[in-house]
Amino acid sequence: GNSVTQMEGPVTLSEEAFLTINCTYTATGYPSLFWYVQYPGEGLQLLLKATKADDKGSNKGFEATYRKETTSFHLEKGSVQVSDSAVYFCALRGNNRLAFGKGNQVVVIP
Amino acid sequence: DAGVTQSPTHLIKTRGQQVTLRCSPKSGHDTVSWYQQALGQGPQFIFQYYEEEERQRGNFPDRFSGHQFPNYSSELNVNALLLGDSALYLCASSTGTAYNEQFFGPGTRLTVL
Repeated sequence: GNSVTQMEGPVTLSEEAFLTINCTYTATGYPSLFWYVQYPGEGLQLLLKATKADDKGSNKGFEATYRKETTSFHLEKGSVQVSDSAVYFCALRGNNRLAFGKGNQVVVIP
Repeated sequence: DAGVTQSPTHLIKTRGQQVTLRCSPKSGHDTVSWYQQALGQGPQFIFQYYEEEERQRGNFPDRFSGHQFPNYSSELNVNALLLGDSALYLCASSTGTAYNEQFFGPGTRLTVL
């Protein structure tokens, strides 16, 4: 079945640091890939997406590239802000349902 | 334009009880999906409703059931509650085709004591 694996553990970093969150997937066919963000006490918000291999999704300074050869969709941001503190989920869509990774809490310290 | 709304926000029940959670989709959306998010975990797909019928189902027992009304709103029912049912329940709405984005509501936090 479809599944998503995210790197273990929370991520703590200083403001203006570079952020990378790793995401790999297992899927049949050619799924669409997503990053969602969840701020404290809120539901999920779509951050960015990519629908085919080599597509780059981008939004609010975040980027992720759909790498079919490595089945990866790593999230990056060049300079994080305190307001980026949240939980980030990688997800894939197959058969019109979303499969999520476990999420990574990101804490940005001023 | 209101987004996806869910009610109630929080709910506390005891083991063995039954619970009903409600979801109103974003305007123009006709498909509702439900997800369970346990603490510290990613959301898990429960089921999806379209045209008042369950279209897909994840790996959840029959204690979890749902309904979709003609106005596209939806209910999630859980019978014989277990401690392990404590979670954030998220509703997402979309249009009927497979390639359209799902928009999530804020969720209902269910605590089973």
